[in-house]
Formats: sequence, structure tokens, C-alpha cells
Amino acid sequence: GAVVSQHPSWVICKSGTSVKIECRSLDFQATTMFWYRQFPKQSLMLMATSNEGSKATYEQGVEKDKFLINHASLTLSTLTVTSAHPEDSSFYICSARSDRGEETQYFGPGTRLLVL
Amino acid sequence: LAKTTQPISMDSYEGQEVNITCSHNNIATNDYITWYQQFPSQGPRFIIQGYKTKVTNEVASLFIPADRKSSTLSLPRVSLSDTAVYYCLVGSSGTYKYIFGTGTRLKVLA
Repeated sequence: GAVVSQHPSWVICKSGTSVKIECRSLDFQATTMFWYRQFPKQSLMLMATSNEGSKATYEQGVEKDKFLINHASLTLSTLTVTSAHPEDSSFYICSARSDRGEETQYFGPGTRLLVL
Repeated sequence: LAKTTQPISMDSYEGQEVNITCSHNNIATNDYITWYQQFPSQGPRFIIQGYKTKVTNEVASLFIPADRKSSTLSLPRVSLSDTAVYYCLVGSSGTYKYIFGTGTRLKVLA
């Protein structure tokens, strides 16, 4: 149980284009999902907290107009990187917290983004 | 912002017990401590979670002292496949402030 998927697993795009990443909780409902970014050889950094049916909460230094988050259902959150630039190239990982009252976050497999 | 620090790397031999510490001096009252394992180009995999004292599951133990300013993940008998980066995560749904540790690269040698 507690499986989280992400799609796509990797994407290469040209500078200036937008990229959408999907995060799904497959066998549980998740009112709350999280988006993290991880640069090579570094730890994960929380970008934003996504709550179903409401606006996402962004961490300090994360541009909300650049990283659009939509959490339209209890099993799906999307992250759109708008007007991507090479410095946005990173490993994006989502996680979901079960609505069963647990404190545990279950992570997706990650999406590798390369902006040329 | 609270820092959560871990040793950068550790080496061990197969069959040995490995203890990895995480320092979280500014842990909040409601924060939980969770440990994850991460392989290259994969998402973190849940290992164990605790709030205080000791927690044990089928793969690991987690020791948390009374002041909760640190925690120790104990892997009882490591194998080559345990070579990975291990992270502690401190935070709670009460504040939605989650901070990953700096990560410990564990290398298990034959």
C-alpha cells in the first residue's frame, strides 16, 4: 500500500516552454501533497504544500507564478514549471500524506527535468 | 530556519550494525522524525518514523532521546543492497514545515 506515482519520469524541453508533472496517490486518498526539488548531490528541499481544493502554500524563495500547483482531486496534484530555464533543471519529487491521520509522507519516484 | 544535520558519509561491512545520527536542535513540539532511504534517481523510500523513545520495525530501529534534539537510525545487519543515501525528515502536519536532513551516504563493503 501507499504507492505514489509520477509522470513523466523524465522530460527534456527547450528553454521558455512549460512542463507539467503529475503526482498521483494510487491506493489512498491524500488531501495534502508536497512538492520537493533536489539538485545533484544535495538534499530535498520543500517547494510547496498542496491541499485539495485550495491554493498551495509555497516556501520562501519559491516563485508561485513560475511553479503552478493544482490539486484538483484527492489523488492528483500537478506541478507546472512555466517558462522553464536551464536553472530549473532538477529532480522534482512529490509526496502524499494519507488522509487516515498518519504523519508519514510517501514519495513518488521523481521526475528528472532537463531544460536546454 | 532550523538545520537538520547528518554525517556526510559512512562505510560499513556486510553483516554489521550501522547507526546514523541526525541532529535537529530546533525540533518543534508536534514534529515527528521520519527516516528515508534513497537510491540514485529514485524517490525516498520510507524506513521508520517516531515521535519519542524507541521504535522498531522489521527493517530498522529508531532511537529518540528525551530532549528529542537528535535521533539515531539503527540498521541491524546491513547488506550490499543497503548502500544508499539516508535522510531524516523533521516536521508535522500541524505546521507543514518539513525539513530534510543533509543526508548520509552509506557504503556497505563486502
